Parts: sequence; C-alpha cells; structure tokens
Amino acid sequence: GDQVEQSPSALSLHEGTGSALRCNFTTTMRAVQWFRKNSRGSLINLFYLASGTKENGRLKSAFDSKERYSTLHIRDAQLEDSGTYFCAAEPNSGTYQRFGTGTKLQVVP
Amino acid sequence: GPKVLQIPSHQIIDMGQMVTLNCDPVSNHLYFYWYKQILGQQMEFLVNFYNGKVMEKSKLFKDQFSVERPDGSYFTLKIQPTALEDSAVYFCASSLEGRDTQYFGPGTRLLVL
Repeated sequence: GDQVEQSPSALSLHEGTGSALRCNFTTTMRAVQWFRKNSRGSLINLFYLASGTKENGRLKSAFDSKERYSTLHIRDAQLEDSGTYFCAAEPNSGTYQRFGTGTKLQVVP
Repeated sequence: GPKVLQIPSHQIIDMGQMVTLNCDPVSNHLYFYWYKQILGQQMEFLVNFYNGKVMEKSKLFKDQFSVERPDGSYFTLKIQPTALEDSAVYFCASSLEGRDTQYFGPGTRLLVL
C-alpha cells in the first residue's frame, strides 16, 4: 500500500507569509528527500535528510524516523517559490524512494 | 548544481515499436535510476542500476523493459515492444552513493499511440 502520505495537496500563500508541508510514513524510513518541481517539470533538490533538521535560506526541513514524518517549512514566501513540492523517502528495507503525491503551492501577491 | 540530462524531451511512437530513452547522469555518479509518472499519479520507481547491474526493480519494470550503460555513455531505458500503458513521463536520476541525494533529469514524455 501507499507508504508516503503528503499534505496538504494544495496551498495558497500570500507573499511574506509561511507554512509547513508534511509527509507521514506508514513504515519506518531511513532518509527523506524534498524536491520542488518547477514550471518546466524539472525536479529541484531541496534537502536530503537521514535525521534531524536542515535549513537553507527560507526553507527548513525536519525528519523524525521514529515518529514517521518529515516536514518542510517555508517562511517569507516569494512568488518564485510557487510550484509543486514532493517528498520522497527510503524505507529501512529496500533501497528505492517512495514519493508523496505532492503539494501544489501558489504564492500570490 | 549537478545536472542530469534526458534525451529526447518528448517521444511519440506507435504501439509495438521499440523506444530507447537516454539519460546523461552527473559525471561522477555511480548509481542510476528510472522512475515513471503517469499523468495525475505519483512518481513510481522502476529500477536502479550500479556497476553494470540491475540492483533492484519494481513490479512496474516489465519484461519488455531493459536498462544498460555501455562504457560510461548514456544510461538507457529500452522498451520493446511498447504498449499503450507505457505512456508516461520517465525520469532518470543519479546519485554518488546508494543512500544519497538523487539528482533528477527533466523527464522524457512518452506517448504510445
């Protein structure tokens, strides 16, 4: 069955505000990767985490393997942050990533 | 950052024909992957490849699919023969190590008629 549940499916933010995306896992994952798909369909790497948190500019991600979730926080959203965000996680057993269904983010003025 | 290229970006073929999708991975990467995304559905893993061998494949990786990377050239996905349900966007990815950041190409949009 589906192992990665991503929410929300869509999100609208005003410029300058922030929010969080979340992925819940139905099994124990050993690592998670977050991506943004741009307007041309390319997947842009944001983070790869095996534990803890990472921060890059206005983005911050956390991964808790034991509690089976990962989050992506966006603060001070800008128009260019618009796009679809995906998480992808590697189960403890197996080597390949399972993708979430994506969150379509629209940042509006 | 590191870039993965995919050629062609679009391909339209008739059912039953053969198609080869090409991936130019990041130059020093050792692990290679193919994923399939049908319109409106999740991205799903097909296969990963290391040291000239398939390491793991999913149930989507049918007998009609094959992968290879001859002599460090393109990493290819060949479908022979194609079926209507093979219509999808196929993404290639590569990573330096097996449990590491994967870098994705922009995808090849395959339409089987």
